[in-house]
Amino acid sequence: NAGVMQNPRHLVRRRGQEARLRCSPMKGHSHVYWYRQLPEEGLKFMVYLQKENIIDESGMPKERFSAEFPKEGPSILRIQQVVRGDSAAYFCASSSEGRVDTEAFFGQGTRLTVV
Amino acid sequence: GEDVEQSLFLSVREGDSSVINCTYTDSSSTYLYWYKQEPGAGLQLLTYIFSNMDMKQDQRLTVLLNKKDKHLSLRIADTQTGDSAIYFCAESKPDSWGKLQFGAGTQVVVTP
Repeated sequence: NAGVMQNPRHLVRRRGQEARLRCSPMKGHSHVYWYRQLPEEGLKFMVYLQKENIIDESGMPKERFSAEFPKEGPSILRIQQVVRGDSAAYFCASSSEGRVDTEAFFGQGTRLTVV
Repeated sequence: GEDVEQSLFLSVREGDSSVINCTYTDSSSTYLYWYKQEPGAGLQLLTYIFSNMDMKQDQRLTVLLNKKDKHLSLRIADTQTGDSAIYFCAESKPDSWGKLQFGAGTQVVVTP
């Protein structure tokens, strides 16, 4: 049973380009959470999705960022027109239920570098 | 200020006990968690405690919760070099499933 798979592990983008980060949840998990970790900081919640629905996007920047979790395929975090401040590690977690007392398993993260 | 605060660094000798401290501000927090992050890796859930508990023990790990002072600690007995990592304290609230609030992490370095 593979864990949460994120790809790519490392992504380099020039300012102004688009970044697409993928997250395949664990088998049987229908709840996905995206977090961002800036250098030397803790993880900050971005968005919580179920299949085809955004449940809580209160941590998402208002512009340039979007997330989806389609019926088929991985969850995608999309960052348009990237800027240097978007450089961070982006972590995805998944759980079988939408309860925090059920363990959310984290992926290894995608490290985005904007040059 | 941050909802969850931790000291940034802890150095401990192999075989000694480590104690990592965390304070939080929101008394409505339901669960409090400790995660471990090794270099280049994701987060691994070590243990969690429900807010109506004072203590939880799991092998070498002991979690103490002081609700009055909003203070959480993680004690690692017989610390090993493999325990070197960043340890994150996190909290969740009853109406925000999946939305964990993390501290900035404590870097634990275990020396031989």
